Amino acid sequence: SQQGEEDPQALSIQEGENATMNCSYKTSINNLQWYRQNSGRGLVHLILIRSNEREKHSGRLRVTLDTSKKSSSLLITASRAADTASYFCATDGVNRDDKIIFGKGTRLHILP
Amino acid sequence: NAGVMQNPRHLVRRRGQEARLRCSPMKGHSHVYWYRQLPEEGLKFMVYLQKENIIDESGMPKERFSAEFPKEGPSILRIQQVVRGDSAAYFCASSATRDRGRRNTEAFFGQGTRLTVV
Repeated sequence: SQQGEEDPQALSIQEGENATMNCSYKTSINNLQWYRQNSGRGLVHLILIRSNEREKHSGRLRVTLDTSKKSSSLLITASRAADTASYFCATDGVNRDDKIIFGKGTRLHILP
Repeated sequence: NAGVMQNPRHLVRRRGQEARLRCSPMKGHSHVYWYRQLPEEGLKFMVYLQKENIIDESGMPKERFSAEFPKEGPSILRIQQVVRGDSAAYFCASSATRDRGRRNTEAFFGQGTRLTVV
């Protein structure tokens, strides 16, 4: 299975600190994406990193990808209360009809 | 350009009834995915469709569940004879087509349909 697995499952940090979440997967991928989901809502696309990229930035987000270790990390710097949400990684396989597979997510809670 | 639209947002069905969940992809998108999510869990893949074709239905139970994405109109996820275990949030996502018919990976999600079976 190409499914991604995030860790930790849950993370609580103080507002202003940095939050790091990790994702591991099993098979070769075309790219990897991170999504955010607020409680009871749909998923919001955060960032996509291609298999030939090693690092990507978007605002306070930094994503790294290590294809040799089949892992990715999402760093949120200077966290805010509004960052409280679940974060999922999703992988897209190399074959034409591969589906997008999600991990189980990390539940991030920012403490005031 | 409206985003992915799912309706209804909330659906209550009695055991044994049928549930029909609709998903209108973003304009120009021809790839649709359905996922199911239980509380505090991740998204479980159900089915991946292109217009008039089911590409991968490996995550969808063989009985009672069906999905379609006709040439015209929204994608429909249909659950017949619902049971309490079908209660969940069902999310639809869509993506565009890029070169050689391959989809653009970036998928956009709807707000989901929360199905409650009583």
